[in-house]
Amino acid sequence: GDSVTQMEGPVTLSEEAFLTINCTYTATGYPSLFWYVQYPGEGLQLLLKATKADDKGSNKGFEATYRKETTSFHLEKGSVQVSDSAVYFCALSAWGGGFKTIFGAGTRLFVKA
Amino acid sequence: GAGVSQSPSNKVTEKGKDVELRCDPISGHTALYWYRQSLGQGLEFLIYFQGNSAPDKSGLPSDRFSAERTGGSVSTLTIQRTQQEDSAVYLCASSLAPGAGGSSYNEQFFGPGTRLTVL
Repeated sequence: GDSVTQMEGPVTLSEEAFLTINCTYTATGYPSLFWYVQYPGEGLQLLLKATKADDKGSNKGFEATYRKETTSFHLEKGSVQVSDSAVYFCALSAWGGGFKTIFGAGTRLFVKA
Repeated sequence: GAGVSQSPSNKVTEKGKDVELRCDPISGHTALYWYRQSLGQGLEFLIYFQGNSAPDKSGLPSDRFSAERTGGSVSTLTIQRTQQEDSAVYLCASSLAPGAGGSSYNEQFFGPGTRLTVL
């Protein structure tokens, strides 16, 4: 079945450091790919998405490129801030009688001032 | 414009009791999803509704779990004879129907979740 694998956390960075959170997927069809973020005490929010190969999703300084050849959707940010501390989930959504979204296990990011 | 709401926010129950969790989706969203988030694990898909029907129930972990949706709006997730391994945060999300607005995928908006603790 479809699955998402993302790097285990926690990831601890200093402010202004470069962030990469790796994500790879397995899907039988042609999925859409997403990053969701869960800030402390808040619900899940969509951060960015990409719906076809080579698309780049971007939001709030975060970027991820849909790489079909490597089945990857790595999340990057050039300069993290303390306010980016959260749990990040990579996810895919594919049609199978409905749009089931499969989430990765999540990666907790701590950014130190 | 209220978001997705869920109730109760916290539920503590004894093993063997039944519980009902409620989700109020965003008005106009015909698609509704239930997920479970266990400690240290990702989100586990449980069930998807389009309108009142559930074309995908594949994620329900056992026959103790059931869900219904009436009037194309509110949904209830019921867990019978709860077990300690049912302890988790249960999340609900809603979205426009797939294909609505010209997009094959529509963003899911998540509620704050119900934290269930089975003693």
